[in-house]
Amino acid sequence: NAGVTQTPKFRVLKTGQSMTLLCAQDMNHEYMYWYRQDPGMGLRLIHYSVGEGTTAKGEVPDGYNVSRLKKQNFLLGLESAAPSQTSVYFCASRKLAGGTDTQYFGPGTRLTVL
Amino acid sequence: AQSVTQLGSHVSVSEGALVLLRCNYSSSVPPYLFWYVQYPNQGLQLLLKYTTGATLVKGINGFEAEFKKSETSFHLTKPSAHMSDAAEYFCAVIKSGGYQKVTFGTGTKLQVIP
Repeated sequence: NAGVTQTPKFRVLKTGQSMTLLCAQDMNHEYMYWYRQDPGMGLRLIHYSVGEGTTAKGEVPDGYNVSRLKKQNFLLGLESAAPSQTSVYFCASRKLAGGTDTQYFGPGTRLTVL
Repeated sequence: AQSVTQLGSHVSVSEGALVLLRCNYSSSVPPYLFWYVQYPNQGLQLLLKYTTGATLVKGINGFEAEFKKSETSFHLTKPSAHMSDAAEYFCAVIKSGGYQKVTFGTGTKLQVIP
């Protein structure tokens, strides 16, 4: 199993450009998440999904959109990138099972917006 | 609402010394508690978790944590620090009962001095 993979690993954008980050998991997990990590702020939840075709907002959803058309994929979109979106983005997935609730993380995407 | 507080954004210990990383939580219902480790330029990796049962939880790499309900704490310890323990550590809480959102602390960077 590859676990959770993220594409791309690095990206530099200019202000106003758009891009899509792809997260894929091969563990048949129901829940998927997108976080951003900024120095001194830990991980903050952007959006999450509890199953194919469903998405919900997290703590910091503004400026981002997501889609979960297939169970194994969770896409994060930036329609018009801003310098404030410079961050490291992590995707995670979680198996829907009582009592375990372990999240598995991808390796991250480092995004710089100039 | 649930929250997590990690005391000390940076902790330094000598190699061979005790490691103590502090985590306090607030939650209206009994939570699930986690410690994750992040090595430079990598994603988060689960160290250990508490869901139910024994309050002293053992994890990987010799780490352990004790859930103390009366103190609302879940401190991470390791008897003897190793150079390879240098990383950032995150405490996280999820409300038990299948609630899908995970709240992370702001992280503690552990430095191990030779």
